[in-house]
Amino acid sequence: NAGVTQTPKFQVLKTGQSMTLQCAQDMNHEYMSWYRQDPGMGLRLIHYSVGAGITDQGEVPNGYNVSRSTTEDFPLRLLSAAPSQTSVYFCASSPDRASPLHFGNGTRLTVT
Amino acid sequence: SQQGEEDPQALSIQEGENATMNCSYKTSINNLQWYRQNSGRGLVHLILIRSNEREKHSGRLRVTLDTSKKSSSLLITASRAADTASYFCATDAYDGNKLVFGAGTILRVKS
Repeated sequence: NAGVTQTPKFQVLKTGQSMTLQCAQDMNHEYMSWYRQDPGMGLRLIHYSVGAGITDQGEVPNGYNVSRSTTEDFPLRLLSAAPSQTSVYFCASSPDRASPLHFGNGTRLTVT
Repeated sequence: SQQGEEDPQALSIQEGENATMNCSYKTSINNLQWYRQNSGRGLVHLILIRSNEREKHSGRLRVTLDTSKKSSSLLITASRAADTASYFCATDAYDGNKLVFGAGTILRVKS
């Protein structure tokens, strides 16, 4: 039972490049979410999903897209990377929106 | 904007001492959760307290919730060096699909 798996662990992008951060969970959780963590800011919610086929915006959605075609996977796409998107990104899941979250170990992204 | 705000921002204590961290929030909540984050890792859930509960215990952890003051505290008793981590509170507001985190308290336990 791997829990929440995020890939890659580290990534460096140039401004304007696009990429997808992968997130997969093997716990059959309905609820999945993406956060970014910046120094002194805590975690800020980017997008979330309450089930396959359903996604919604969080606090800081601009510049990011998500999709949820399966229960297991919740990829986060950066359409045109900007230096302001340099951050550590965490994916999390839970059985439902009211239950505690299980976090992956994060992807550290640097945009130059 | 952040819902929960932790206080203090950083705390340094000796092994064996108690550590108390506080969290304040702004709007009505369904529940409040505390998480721990070790350096370079994801967050790990510690304890959840519902809005109709006032106190909850889990091992060396004690959480209190005062909904009239919109505040919560996390007490770690008899701290150990392994408790060194960042601690975050998170609230699940009534409009509810979102768990909103505070900026965290950095705890250092010196051995």
